[in-house]
Amino acid sequence: DAGITQSPRHKVTETGTPVTLRCHQTENHRYMYWYRQDPGHGLRLIHYSYGVKDTDKGEVSDGYSVSRSKTEDFLLTLESATSSQTSVYFCAISGLGTQPQHFGDGTRLSIL
Amino acid sequence: DQQVKQNSPSLSVQEGRISILNCDYTNSMFDYFLWYKKYPAEGPTFLISISSIKDKNEDGRFTVFLNKSAKHLSLHIVPSQPGDSAVYFCAANSGGSNYKLTFGKGTLLTVNP
Repeated sequence: DAGITQSPRHKVTETGTPVTLRCHQTENHRYMYWYRQDPGHGLRLIHYSYGVKDTDKGEVSDGYSVSRSKTEDFLLTLESATSSQTSVYFCAISGLGTQPQHFGDGTRLSIL
Repeated sequence: DQQVKQNSPSLSVQEGRISILNCDYTNSMFDYFLWYKKYPAEGPTFLISISSIKDKNEDGRFTVFLNKSAKHLSLHIVPSQPGDSAVYFCAANSGGSNYKLTFGKGTLLTVNP
């Protein structure tokens, strides 16, 4: 399995609080991604990174920010969590070219 | 605007028979397609991929077929096993690279013993 660790694995928090999810990889891959999975929507890309300090928006980026200060870590932040951001969040990594993306085991986030 | 569509939310087959999962796409710029399998409480796992320069790719029990003129791909699993029971996602991207995949909504496959 690709060396991807997501933390925390589960989190319950209240509306309006800040939340940071962490993705850590040991594969030294260039590309890292954050997705959310919701019933009826499949997987949707939030943000991605193509290098240290190089990030870009995905399909559903509103309300989220990311940072990548080291190759191995990609952080997803919800500045002020809302109930609509209750979801399962997956981090993925990939190397160059057509190497497939490999996913972490997800973080289940509940915002009450 | 859903660019990758998996129109069957679920599929049930008997062990030993063929499972056929379908996927349609609308973006003619897509040129690389992947299938992922996902078990509950786990992340998606890469299964098989196909480039638009091919119309078939095979890996053991899994074969993916691509019909570019119809903008359609399918995943065949033969023979199906109970351990294949999972959600299968179709994904696509353009530009000959793997970034910014667009996923379908998934199909839940149940293989009955």
